[in-house]
Amino acid sequence: AQSVTQLDSQVPVFEEAPVELRCNYSSSVSVYLFWYVQYPNQGLQLLLKYLSGSTLVKGINGFEAEFNKSQTSFHLRKPSVHISDTAEYFCAVSANTGFQKLVFGTGTRLLVSP
Amino acid sequence: GAGVSQSPSNKVTEKGKDVELRCDPISGHTALYWYRQSLGQGLEFLIYFQGNSAPDKSGLPSDRFSAERTGGSVSTLTIQRTQQEDSAVYLCASSPQTSYTDTQYFGPGTRLTVL
Repeated sequence: AQSVTQLDSQVPVFEEAPVELRCNYSSSVSVYLFWYVQYPNQGLQLLLKYLSGSTLVKGINGFEAEFNKSQTSFHLRKPSVHISDTAEYFCAVSANTGFQKLVFGTGTRLLVSP
Repeated sequence: GAGVSQSPSNKVTEKGKDVELRCDPISGHTALYWYRQSLGQGLEFLIYFQGNSAPDKSGLPSDRFSAERTGGSVSTLTIQRTQQEDSAVYLCASSPQTSYTDTQYFGPGTRLTVL
């Protein structure tokens, strides 16, 4: 079975500052890793995913994440945030066999203020 | 093009009543997933459909929950004898499923409130 830990429930940051949202996972098998964003009253939207290959993954809206197998981490970063990035961010994992059964973390609320 | 749609967007029901939640996946997507987002449990997988194959029901929390997918397209999630702990946002997602790495596209969800 897989599990995901997002230690920060809320991250406040000022506009144009850099941000890192932390994600750690646990799994006995190889996994795929995902970051989703949820804007208020909307469904989830995929930001980026790691399947294999390069450990640095670039996604939409200027976000990127780095897969670190030894630390079982997949932290999300953005060098300069905007007010519009205010949202809930979910890290998710699925085993790389069988269907894509996503196991989500509890989410991190990013609050960007002027 | 059109995304995943879900109806109703909001549903308020009384404890003990049955409810049906509907999901219309993106046209041509063969894989369909249901998830539940609640304050107590976070986001959790409920059920997975792939084409006409038997669904994977491993995430359904009790036998009061069931789902079907007609004609490989529209899906209905049914909750019988609703309880207050069923209050949550129910999310549906679909994917092309040409590969297990395909992106899941989520609908806006149905917010269920059980009084």
